[in-house]
Amino acid sequence: GAGVSQSPSNKVTEKGKDVELRCDPISGHTALYWYRQSLGQGLEFLIYFQGNSAPDKSGLPSDRFSAERTGGSVSTLTIQRTQQEDSAVYLCASSPMRAKNIQYFGAGTRLSVL
Amino acid sequence: QQQVKQSPQSLIVQKGGISIINCAYENTAFDYFPWYQQFPGKGPALLIAIRPDVSEKKEGRFTISFNKSAKQFSLHIMDSQPGDSATYFCAASRDDYKLSFGAGTTVTVRA
Repeated sequence: GAGVSQSPSNKVTEKGKDVELRCDPISGHTALYWYRQSLGQGLEFLIYFQGNSAPDKSGLPSDRFSAERTGGSVSTLTIQRTQQEDSAVYLCASSPMRAKNIQYFGAGTRLSVL
Repeated sequence: QQQVKQSPQSLIVQKGGISIINCAYENTAFDYFPWYQQFPGKGPALLIAIRPDVSEKKEGRFTISFNKSAKQFSLHIMDSQPGDSATYFCAASRDDYKLSFGAGTTVTVRA
């Protein structure tokens, strides 16, 4: 596809359930980021993948959050035992090596924890 | 803590007017300052960006003013149009790495 693709676009879950959010970056982009956007807030950095390097997980808010990137392309963000405060829009972005300062964002996954 | 502080939270401007959004940062290691535009239901999209070696950058109706000594930068939208109605985020990064975002400003342009 032409842009960053995220799925599902909306996810409603019950407190305590696990969820998986998927991100397909732009083909050829080496860097991939996950951010969280809470209502009325800016974007909060969660995790960063760059090529085969170890990911920067410094933004993950708790050990219930994890992410992986398979084959240097698709990434999955997993939230275990979801809590109501996890409700937010989760955004994925990717950037190319030749212009790593430019991040291209997907439309996000809106997660609602009931 | 939030590394980039943005104001105002929202603003309303008449068509043809000027919208001004301000941001301030603390980390002097930041070396890249982009502005992102976000429409409802969409992800943010890069609008314009500046590095600290220049004090101003203009692209069409959008201008960034940068004051390194004050650690402040601002976005000016000239001749605002209804299509500019969106949420604008300032951001900052070091070494073209992860972005620290402001809280966002919702701009409404009245026709």
